[in-house]
Amino acid sequence: DAGITQSPRHKVTETGTPVTLRCHQTENHRYMYWYRQDPGHGLRLIHYSYGVKDTDKGEVSDGYSVSRSKTEDFLLTLESATSSQTSVYFCAISQGGLSGANVLTFGAGSRLTVL
Amino acid sequence: DAKTTQPNSMESNEEEPVHLPCNHSTISGTDYIHWYRQLPSQGPEYVIHGLTSNVNNRMASLAIAEDRKSSTLILHRATLRDAAVYYCILDRDDKIIFGKGTRLHILP
Repeated sequence: DAGITQSPRHKVTETGTPVTLRCHQTENHRYMYWYRQDPGHGLRLIHYSYGVKDTDKGEVSDGYSVSRSKTEDFLLTLESATSSQTSVYFCAISQGGLSGANVLTFGAGSRLTVL
Repeated sequence: DAKTTQPNSMESNEEEPVHLPCNHSTISGTDYIHWYRQLPSQGPEYVIHGLTSNVNNRMASLAIAEDRKSSTLILHRATLRDAAVYYCILDRDDKIIFGKGTRLHILP
C-alpha cells in the first residue's frame, strides 16, 4: 500500500470502551487524513493533519480525537466507542498541494465493530 | 466545502467506452478536479486529476468543460475489473471532501 499501514485491520469492541486506530506512513508526507465509510454514505472526513501537532476537524469529528506527535504516525481515538461508530476507517496520506494537486494515497482500511 | 454532483449509478457494456459525468458548478479558479475509484473491499485509489486542460494517463482520460463547471472521466474500453465506485472531488484546500460517488456496473 505504497508505504501506508493501518492497524489493527479488524477490531471488535464493546460500547463504552476506548479504541485507538493507528496510521503509519514511511513516505514522509506532510498530510494525513482519517475517513470513515458506511453503506449509503460514501467516504466522510473525520479529522486531518497538515503537520506534526497540526490537526483540524472534518465533516464528522464528534466522538473522535486525533494526535500526530511525529510525521509518520496519525492516531484516531474513540474515547468511548458507540455502536454508531461501527464502520470501516481509512487513512490517507498526501504530500500536499505541491504543484497545486493534493493526491491522496489510501491505506487498506480498518474494520471496527462496536457491540 | 467544495461540492460535486454525480449520478448514483451507471451501467456499461464490457469493452465499450464509459463516460462518467461530474458537476461542480461552485468550482473556483484554483480548484483541481480529482477522480478516485474504489474497487470492492479495497481502499480508494487515485485515477487522474486536472485543472483546465484535458488530461490522459494509462488508466483514463479527463475531459474538463470550458467553463470548468463539469468534467467527464472517460474509460476508453471498460473491463469487468473497472466495476467500482468512482469519486469526483475538488481539491480546494487541505480539507478533502468526498461525496457518494458513482457506482459503475460493467455488463459482460
